[in-house]
Amino acid sequence: GAVVSQHPSRVICKSGTSVKIECRSLDFQATTMFWYRQFPKQSLMLMATSNEGSKATYEQGVEKDKFLINHASLTLSTLTVTSAHPEDSSFYICSAVRGEGKNIQYFGAGTRLSVL
Amino acid sequence: GDSVTQMEGPVTLSEEAFLTINCTYTATGYPSLFWYVQYPGEGLQLLLKATKADDKGSNKGFEATYRKETTSFHLEKGSVQVSDSAVYFCALIGANSKLTFGKGITLSVRP
Repeated sequence: GAVVSQHPSRVICKSGTSVKIECRSLDFQATTMFWYRQFPKQSLMLMATSNEGSKATYEQGVEKDKFLINHASLTLSTLTVTSAHPEDSSFYICSAVRGEGKNIQYFGAGTRLSVL
Repeated sequence: GDSVTQMEGPVTLSEEAFLTINCTYTATGYPSLFWYVQYPGEGLQLLLKATKADDKGSNKGFEATYRKETTSFHLEKGSVQVSDSAVYFCALIGANSKLTFGKGITLSVRP
């Protein structure tokens, strides 16, 4: 199967610090990865589309300077929440697309971020 | 824009009960429709999909039929098991090639 690993699964940080979340495709190459945010009792909201070797495409309303995305290799994308504040506390989920099934996204287990 | 509406939850059923989880959508054109499942502590997994009207997706005893006339993609299972306890998300990919999710519904199955 297609496995996507997301790390860390849970992180607690102080307000004003930065947090990096990693998303790895373990057994396939992913030219495209996606980052979602999920609020309690809400659906997953797409934040940005990450393409290997190019700049990420952000959805309307998502601050690119706040949520830095790097997709430096075909198996790794990172999301850095810069100068985190309590309102950034949320569940962040990544997904990756295999080349042959462009409509199928494989998801990581998510990262619970809590900013104190 | 595209949207997916799921019935409100949570849903609690006894083992071997019949399951229906409603899902309706709004989209331009002909979207592909999906059901994803998230077991406790795990990432979302694709459960089944349908790419055109009247298609029936099926997997692990679950079924859903793409109904264009009612813009629906209801998930059904004839006999649920405790191991089916999870969060279920209905989703679509529309003309913008992006996944749009419903809010998800938590299913708990009692022994």
